[in-house]
Amino acid sequence: AQKVTQAQTEISVVEKEDVTLDCVYETRDTTYYLFWYKQPPSGELVFLIRRNSFDEQNEISGRYSWNFQKSTSSFNFTITASQVVDSAVYFCALLGGETSGSRLTFGEGTQLTVNP
Amino acid sequence: NAGVMQNPRHLVRRRGQEARLRCSPMKGHSHVYWYRQLPEEGLKFMVYLQKENIIDESGMPKERFSAEFPKEGPSILRIQQVVRGDSAAYFCASSRAVTGGTYNSPLHFGNGTRLTVT
Repeated sequence: AQKVTQAQTEISVVEKEDVTLDCVYETRDTTYYLFWYKQPPSGELVFLIRRNSFDEQNEISGRYSWNFQKSTSSFNFTITASQVVDSAVYFCALLGGETSGSRLTFGEGTQLTVNP
Repeated sequence: NAGVMQNPRHLVRRRGQEARLRCSPMKGHSHVYWYRQLPEEGLKFMVYLQKENIIDESGMPKERFSAEFPKEGPSILRIQQVVRGDSAAYFCASSRAVTGGTYNSPLHFGNGTRLTVT
């Protein structure tokens, strides 16, 4: 079975602090994809990143960076110098190819609040 | 280049009425997925369709819920005789065809339909 765990339910930081959102996953698939989505207060889902299981290279996009470690089944997300506009719920998700078809399995989300 | 379009954005129904949620995939996408987000929870898979065919409905409640994706027109998620517990945000996503066991596009989500049952 597929499972995604986001242990941090809520995180609160002050603007300009760095913050890391944790994501741990479980899957029996050898080929799979990991995603992060942002859900701002307006409610839409904004795609942030997709990684496949064969590419463990870390990725940086502006203030965002992702650390994929297959050995610990983790795909953590760091926001550097956080801003108030980063306040949102962030979801980590897993798409396994062999056992789950095209079903995305989402974590329960982490509510990030960035205070001015 | 329009993204996934969902309508209505907000839908209010009384208990016992029917709710119809529509989803038009991105241009060139022939696969549609429906997810439900209950209050304060993550998204849960409901159903995966391609045109005129249900591929995977393992997440659909057994009763009152149905989905279709006709040859022409949007995908429809239909909830009959709604109850308060159906109040949720319903998201649709789309992708290009899956070929050879690989997945050649991220899942793009629409803005969701927020269903409120009174």
